[in-house]
Amino acid sequence: DIQMTQSPSSLSASIGDRVTITCRASQDISNNLAWFQQKPGKAPKSLIYTASTLQSGVPSRFSGSGSGTDFTLTISSLQPEDFATYYCQQHISYPVTFGQGTRLEIK
Amino acid sequence: DVQLVESGGGLVQPGGSLRLSCAASGFSFDNHWMSWVRQAPGKGLEWVANIKRGGDERYVDSVKGRFTISRDNAKNSVFLQMNNLRAEDTAMYYCAKYDAIGHSHDSWGQGTLVTVSS
Repeated sequence: DIQMTQSPSSLSASIGDRVTITCRASQDISNNLAWFQQKPGKAPKSLIYTASTLQSGVPSRFSGSGSGTDFTLTISSLQPEDFATYYCQQHISYPVTFGQGTRLEIK
Repeated sequence: DVQLVESGGGLVQPGGSLRLSCAASGFSFDNHWMSWVRQAPGKGLEWVANIKRGGDERYVDSVKGRFTISRDNAKNSVFLQMNNLRAEDTAMYYCAKYDAIGHSHDSWGQGTLVTVSS
């Protein structure tokens, strides 16, 4: 199974900050990586697929990059609605696996 | 708009069974892969099963032989039959739709809660 490791596990930041979350795969997954946002008590929401393609309707302050084993999700200027938990997921092979999540909190 | 509405969750004893349903609307259902993804209380996301357009199924090892995913394209629905349930199956179960290419989940339902307890 491909292990997905996110860092940090939690992060405190302020409105307007630039934030980067890292996801590392245990083997080469090319660009077969997605990012999801989940708020408490809500379903996950798709943000990015194929490592860097924004889903329709996702604000442009979100961006994704990387290929192979190392990936990043960047929020260029944090907004109040961005405080949530973020998950990466690989979809190159079964079982599909998620990172453990990064909780983004208000400082 | 895409809508995915799960149902069928509830409280069940260990060893029992449940059948989850997901009613889909707002897209061409038979052109998309579908998934079930679960989240134990306070934990992260865990993929459970996929079913492709043609019915090919895949499962995470922990549910193989106990869970069966199926779809009814005429009813725009996907199902998860869960047998021999264990306490560790307790979770919110989400139905998720893949994009047209089968790359990633692009829409999610609100979930249905399964609790396995005596």
